[in-house]
Amino acid sequence: EPEVTQTPSHQVTQMGQEVILRCVPISNHLYFYWYRQILGQKVEFLVSFYNNEISEKSEIFDDQFSVERPDGSNFTLKIRSTKLEDSAMYFCASSADRGRATEAFFGQGTRLTVV
Amino acid sequence: AQTVTQSQPEMSVQEAETVTLSCTYDTSENNYYLFWYKQPPSRQMILVIRQEAYKQQNATENRFSVNFQKAAKSFSLKISDSQLGDTAMYFCAFMSGTSYGKLTFGQGTILTVHP
Repeated sequence: EPEVTQTPSHQVTQMGQEVILRCVPISNHLYFYWYRQILGQKVEFLVSFYNNEISEKSEIFDDQFSVERPDGSNFTLKIRSTKLEDSAMYFCASSADRGRATEAFFGQGTRLTVV
Repeated sequence: AQTVTQSQPEMSVQEAETVTLSCTYDTSENNYYLFWYKQPPSRQMILVIRQEAYKQQNATENRFSVNFQKAAKSFSLKISDSQLGDTAMYFCAFMSGTSYGKLTFGQGTILTVHP
């Protein structure tokens, strides 16, 4: 069964360092998303991506964040200068369509710890 | 902005019994979709059931059914004949009909099924 895969499963980084979180969406999907969940809080939407551009982003997704689909299979989230408050579980998701209650398929998540 | 509230942080049920998880939401929109996602321990979120707001009939998927009360903005999940494999975190989620697939999640309810 096709699934969304994320690497690494856990990443520890020093404050101020750049980090790239990687995701391989399901191959025939066209819409891609990043969400995050700070420990003990809700899962929050960060960004959606379609046709090589951002479709929608939340107020959390500021200039230190960027997304890219560099090679047609990977979908990455870059955090330029990490802060302690960026520590969270980051989930990638993909869907075949964006509306009509289309199912989003989620990866297992990358736990980012900023020290 | 939409909000989703799950007021039960934890629930437990005996195997083979029925349990209902609560979810309320707030929106001014008329066209939207509601979802229940399940996240087993250390696994990715998977879709359990979805409901289109324009449909009056409650969605059902095998042992899972919803009670969708549009006027009350309530969307509860009923799990019948609970199984040990139903043990998971359950998230209620909202998607606007005008969004690009963005999901707004509730806080989650941890369900434990006891043998």
